[in-house]
Amino acid sequence: DQQVKQNSPSLSVQEGRISILNCDYTNSMFDYFLWYKKYPAEGPTFLISISSIKDKNEDGRFTVFLNKSAKHLSLHIVPSQPGDSAVYFCAASFTGTASKLTFGTGTRLQVTL
Amino acid sequence: NAGVTQTPKFQVLKTGQSMTLQCAQDMNHEYMSWYRQDPGMGLRLIHYSVGAGITDQGEVPNGYNVSRSTTEDFPLRLLSAAPSQTSVYFCASSRPVRPYGYTFGSGTRLTVV
Repeated sequence: DQQVKQNSPSLSVQEGRISILNCDYTNSMFDYFLWYKKYPAEGPTFLISISSIKDKNEDGRFTVFLNKSAKHLSLHIVPSQPGDSAVYFCAASFTGTASKLTFGTGTRLQVTL
Repeated sequence: NAGVTQTPKFQVLKTGQSMTLQCAQDMNHEYMSWYRQDPGMGLRLIHYSVGAGITDQGEVPNGYNVSRSTTEDFPLRLLSAAPSQTSVYFCASSRPVRPYGYTFGSGTRLTVV
C-alpha cells in the first residue's frame, strides 16, 4: 500500500518555464514533508521541506505547497534550468517517527533548451 | 567534510553469500537509516537507528541485519544473498530535530547472481 504517491513518472518542461511536480499521500498522520532531488549514480539530495502547520515554504527558485485537506503537496521550480533535470522524490513522516521517511516513487524531470 | 560515506560502490555476490555494506558519517547525526531503491518502487526503508545501540526495522527488513555500536557507523549485513536483493542501497543520516533533511551517501549497487 503506497502511502506516498507520485503519479507522474516523468515531466518535460522548457527552460525558463515553471515545473510543477505533484505528490499525494494517504496517511493523515503525516505532518512533515520533504522533497529530494537525485542525479544518476548519486544519492538523493535534500531540497526543501514543509511542516503541516504551514501551507507554503519557499527557498530561492523552489516553493513547496501543502494542501492538507486534499492530502496533496506540490513542488514548483521557477524558472526551470537544464541543471534541474533529475528525479524528484517526495517523502513524508509524522511526529514520533522522524527517523522513518516514507518516499514516493519519484518523477523524472527533464528541462529542455 | 565527507558527509555520509558508503563502501563499496559496486558489488557482485553469488546467491547464498553474505556481506556487509559499510556506512559512516562524520556529522555527529543521531539518526541513521538504510534504504533500497528499485525501479518503480522509490526508496524503501530497510532498517533505521535513532542512536548508538538502538535499531529498528523498517518496511523491508527481511534478509538484512544492522547494528549501531557507535554514532558514526551503521553497517548493513546481508545474511544469505538472494537475487531479490539486487538493488541500489543508500545510507542516510540526520539530526533528530526539524528540519531534518537527511544526508544520503552515494549508494552501493549490489547485484546478486
